[in-house]
This record gives sequence, C-alpha cells and structure tokens, in this order.
Amino acid sequence: AQTVTQSQPEMSVQEAETVTLSCTYDTSESDYYLFWYKQPPSRQMILVIRQEAYKQQNATENRFSVNFQKAAKSFSLKISDSQLGDAAMYFCAYRSWTSGTYKYIFGTGTRLKVLA
Amino acid sequence: DGGITQSPKYLFRKEGQNVTLSCEQNLNHDAMYWYRQDPGQGLRLIYYSQIVNDFQKGDIAEGYSVSREKKESFPLTVTSAQKNPTAFYLCASSRAQGPTYEQYFGPGTRLTVT
Repeated sequence: AQTVTQSQPEMSVQEAETVTLSCTYDTSESDYYLFWYKQPPSRQMILVIRQEAYKQQNATENRFSVNFQKAAKSFSLKISDSQLGDAAMYFCAYRSWTSGTYKYIFGTGTRLKVLA
Repeated sequence: DGGITQSPKYLFRKEGQNVTLSCEQNLNHDAMYWYRQDPGQGLRLIYYSQIVNDFQKGDIAEGYSVSREKKESFPLTVTSAQKNPTAFYLCASSRAQGPTYEQYFGPGTRLTVT
C-alpha cells in the first residue's frame, strides 16, 4: 500500500526567507500524481501545487516550487520570500489508483510558522 | 461560483444520537469523499463514491454510513456506534477519471459529541 510521510511536524521561517518542507512516499506505481495542500487557520484546504510523476520538470507556482526526486520518492515544497499569510498546515498527498478508483493518501502535515 | 458546501460549520450532539453531515457540490464531479481530521493524524478516509448509488469504505468506516442518491450530494451519518465521533470532518470531490485532477474541499464541519 502507498504511504506518505512528512517527518517535520513543525517548521519556522523568518518573513521574506525561504523554507523547504519535506515529503517522502512509498509506491510501486510508475505513473501517479502528487500534491501539496495548505490548510490555514480557517481550515479550508487549498491546493498549492501539483506534480505529475511522468514529468521530469519540477512544478512551480509563483513563490511555491517543488523538488521532485522520483527515484528517491521525495517531493519537497519550497516556499520563497515567505509571507505571514503562508502560516498554515501543509499536507503532502499522493493520488493512488486502487481497485479501479482513485484514492488520495495524505501525510500527517507540517505546521509552518512565519516569524515577523 | 462552483464549489463544495458543508453544513453546519459547528455541530453539537449528545452521546448516543445519530447525526448527519451535509455535503453538496456543484462542480459536476463524479467522485466524492469524506475525511476525518484529528490533531497530528492528517486526513483519514471514511467513505468515498465514484458514481451515484455506489460507494466504498475507506480506512476508518466503522460507525459511519453514507448515501449517494444524487451526483451533487454525499451525506455522512455518524452513528452511535462510532466510539470517538468528536472531530473535524471534511468533504471533497474530484473528477473520477482522467489525468491530474486534484481534490476540491468543502469548509468542513466540526462535530462535538458530549
């Protein structure tokens, strides 16, 4: 079965600095999708970025980018020029094809604090 | 605007009572999902449905039930058999087939059972 591991329960970053959140996963599939979601204090889950496994190029969305290492099964999120609004829980997720349906497997999350 | 609505935002019930959480989407998505979120445990899948009138158990289905009579609606009932029902519940939807296609989430319902 697929698993997603986020080994950093909490991270802190100074405003305007860069921070990297780690995510590793385990799978035997060759084609899959990975996602990072943000959950601010409102608890609304917001998609930050997605990565298709067959694409070697790392995905980028404005200040957010990923470092996707397929062989190492690693999918880290880099946040540049951190802002106070980036403070939130961040979840890494894997989309699995299981028994003819898609399921999404989430890590336990990393709480990001942004210091002014 | 398309999206997912969950109601109510906060729900309080006495132990031993069944309670139903509402989830409605107007995104025309085939697949819908229910998750439970507890501190330090991320999101755990309760039930999911790929098409109308069909649904499957997730990882923690015991004590819960669902129905999918309409494409837009996927209500979750928390029964009295659920031993620890107090939690934050999230509903999500996505396309059932095709590439990419992340999940879209509702705002969640915080259920407190005393």
